[in-house]
Amino acid sequence: GAVVSQHPSRVICKSGTSVKIECRSLDFQATTMFWYRQFPKQSLMLMATSNEGSKATYEQGVEKDKFLINHASLTLSTLTVTSAHPEDSSFYICSAPFGASGYNEQFFGPGTRLTVL
Amino acid sequence: GENVEQHPSTLSVQEGDSAVIKCTYSDSASNYFPWYKQELGKRPQLIIDIRSNVGEKKDQRIAVTLNKTAKHFSLHITETQPEDSAVYFCAARGNFGNEKLTFGTGTRLTIIP
Repeated sequence: GAVVSQHPSRVICKSGTSVKIECRSLDFQATTMFWYRQFPKQSLMLMATSNEGSKATYEQGVEKDKFLINHASLTLSTLTVTSAHPEDSSFYICSAPFGASGYNEQFFGPGTRLTVL
Repeated sequence: GENVEQHPSTLSVQEGDSAVIKCTYSDSASNYFPWYKQELGKRPQLIIDIRSNVGEKKDQRIAVTLNKTAKHFSLHITETQPEDSAVYFCAARGNFGNEKLTFGTGTRLTIIP
């Protein structure tokens, strides 16, 4: 099966600092990856679509200058939370599609728990 | 854009009984409907999915039904077991493959031993 990893799994930072989260497809190539945010007891909310070699597509209401996405290779996308504040504390999950053309399944990373003090 | 509604938000059933979770979607172009199980602090795990060319799919104790006319789909879990306790999410997506998933709000299922 397809495996997606994330690093780090947990991060605690001070308010005002920046945090980088990596999402890797370990055994397949992903031209597209998705970044989600999940607050406690809530659903997964799509933040942005990461596109290899081009700019990310952000969902309405998501600040592109605060959540920087870079998809520099076919196996790596990074999400940088800049000038993090306590309200950015959340569970961040990435996913990547893989499968036969037109029948891709989404494979999720294990998530990154961000706590901003 | 797509909007997915999910009911109920919480569901408690006796062990051995059946559980049903329902979702509706708004975009008639959506053609792929997965269901995920998520345990606390873990990633969502795909448990079953259905595409628009079929009305029902079954995998052991889990089944999903789809009514494209009414734009709703349901998850059925029979002979529930304590390990079925988790949060379940439905989702909808176009069939192209790389299109984004829109998730329902989730159902917290508790199996009472």
